[in-house]
Amino acid sequence: DAGVTQSPTHLIKTRGQQVTLRCSPKSGHDTVSWYQQALGQGPQFIFQYYEEEERQRGNFPDRFSGHQFPNYSSELNVNALLLGDSALYLCASSAGLIPYEQYFGPGTRLTVT
Amino acid sequence: DQQVKQNSPSLSVQEGRISILNCDYTNSMFDYFLWYKKYPAEGPTFLISISSIKDKNEDGRFTVFLNKSAKHLSLHIVPSQPGDSAVYFCAATQSNQFYFGTGTSLTVIP
Repeated sequence: DAGVTQSPTHLIKTRGQQVTLRCSPKSGHDTVSWYQQALGQGPQFIFQYYEEEERQRGNFPDRFSGHQFPNYSSELNVNALLLGDSALYLCASSAGLIPYEQYFGPGTRLTVT
Repeated sequence: DQQVKQNSPSLSVQEGRISILNCDYTNSMFDYFLWYKKYPAEGPTFLISISSIKDKNEDGRFTVFLNKSAKHLSLHIVPSQPGDSAVYFCAATQSNQFYFGTGTSLTVIP
């Protein structure tokens, strides 16, 4: 049983560019949440998708957007990249909107130069 | 504003002894609290959780205590093992939003 998978593993982008990160949830999970983890910090909640809709959103600008597909996989898009967007981006999946345990993927390391 | 705080960045414990990791929070509306364990190059792994209506939850060597009046959460690991060495994050939820602390790096010395 595959857990949460994310791609790519690492990514280097230039300031001002756009990036798309991908996540496949654990089998049987239908809810996907995205987090940004800066160095030395805990994960910061970006948003959560359920039934292909954004259900919750953290304190992130509109440059951060997402999408969930019918197969529950999800994308995180970041436009107009800033140097401060450099971080580890984590995807987590869970079953439903009940705040039980989330299963995290290994993350995508984004570096903006 | 950091709503969940872990004030100890690191902790070292001898193998076999008890590890106590602490977490404080400011929002009394949190309804669920969780602990995650993270190894390098991996995502956080769920460890144990507790509902805000309880004060203790136990799972094998891991016990989480919740003191709502003090807005304090702790994780006890007994006995500690070298494989427990990792970064531990506490998290709290409100309306399905998760708030994480900054983590405590635990080192269990053989």
